This record gives sequence, structure tokens and C-alpha cells, in this order.
Amino acid sequence: SAVISQKPSRDICQRGTSLTIQCQVDSQVTMMFWYRQQPGQSLTLIATANQGSEATYESGFVIDKFPISRPNLTFSTLTVSNMSPEDSSIYLCSVGAAGWNTGELFFGEGSRLTVL
Amino acid sequence: AQKVTQAQTEISVVEKEDVTLDCVYETRDTTYYLFWYKQPPSGELVFLIRRNSFDEQNEISGRYSWNFQKSTSSFNFTITASQVVDSAVYFCALKAGGYQKVTFGTGTKLQVIP
Repeated sequence: SAVISQKPSRDICQRGTSLTIQCQVDSQVTMMFWYRQQPGQSLTLIATANQGSEATYESGFVIDKFPISRPNLTFSTLTVSNMSPEDSSIYLCSVGAAGWNTGELFFGEGSRLTVL
Repeated sequence: AQKVTQAQTEISVVEKEDVTLDCVYETRDTTYYLFWYKQPPSGELVFLIRRNSFDEQNEISGRYSWNFQKSTSSFNFTITASQVVDSAVYFCALKAGGYQKVTFGTGTKLQVIP
């Protein structure tokens, strides 16, 4: 298994500002994923972040709004830009287990954002 | 396209009762993986089980059991003798074929009342 740490764990932000969420993994992983979980909702994949390449965004998510960095095999950041109250969500970093093809994911504790 | 349906939004049971959480999936791929995750109030998702499409054997792990039926595209999860610590949101998920994306259901919130 992988241990995933996210910072911040929670934050309250003002409309129009941007916030960067950090994800640190205790082992080298190829594939990292960023999910959003809106209040009372399921998990929605924002993007897949592979080291050494541009992140791949899902439909409905764009790089200008959610820029992602993946500088090495243990770290990634997700920025939520120009925030609005609709961005209030839990943002979850996850990594694929060894033998990723099976799809098992490990998750961080999540970063709970509230936008006023 | 992949789809996961968890029709039960919320379930309340009294401690020690058995409870089954339903999951129905859709995929055109013949190779796929199904998962259950638990999200306690603390928020972190915990992996519970993985099943691949070629293995229809039911599985039991302590008080947890899973019933995978390809004929009905279902992957149901039963908790026997429920406990208060089982209170959480449970997500069923699907990864199909060569897709990198894991699709999650909408979740079932289970409340176990002492």
C-alpha cells in the first residue's frame, strides 16, 4: 500500500483567489489522480497526472482552472484557480496500486475547501 | 461507457442487523474490475475489495461478504451483524478494459444505530 499525505487538510478561501493542494506519496508511483467530491456527491475524476507529461483532463475540467504539476514520482500539486463557491469540495489525491492495471486506488485524506 | 449505479442513497439499521448494499454496473468490456471503498466520517477512502470479471466466486472477509453476479451485472456487499463502526459512505467502483479511469457510484450512506 501507499501512504499519501495531502496539504492543506482544509481551508476557507475567498472568492476569486487560488489555492494549491499538495500531494506527497511515500513511494514512487507512475500514475496519480486528482478527484473532486462535492458535498454529498460521488467522486469525479479531474485529471490524471503522470510524471514527465502533461496532465490529462476529464471532460468538464480544464487546465486553466485546475493546473497540475507532477515534478517527480512522489509529488503532485493541484491548483484551484479563481475560486467560486461552486468549487467548495473535497479534493482527493490518489495513486494506483502496484500492477495498476487492476485499478486499485489508494487515497489521501482529502483537502476540504470552502469558498466564501 | 462505464456506469455504476447505487440505488440506495441512505440506509439505517440497528446494530447487529445484517445489511446489503446494492451495486449495478454497466460496461461493454469483457475485462473489468469492480471495487468497494469505505469512506468513514473522517473522509479518507479505504479500499475494501477488488474483483475481476473472470472471477465470479463470492468472497467473505470476516463480517463482510460480496456477491458478484455477471448475469445481473451486480456486485452487492453484505455486512453481517453490523456495528456502529460500520457507519460510513460506501462506494462501488468500476475500471473497465484498458481505460485508466475508475468510475465511482454515487455512494450509499450507512448508519448503524446502537
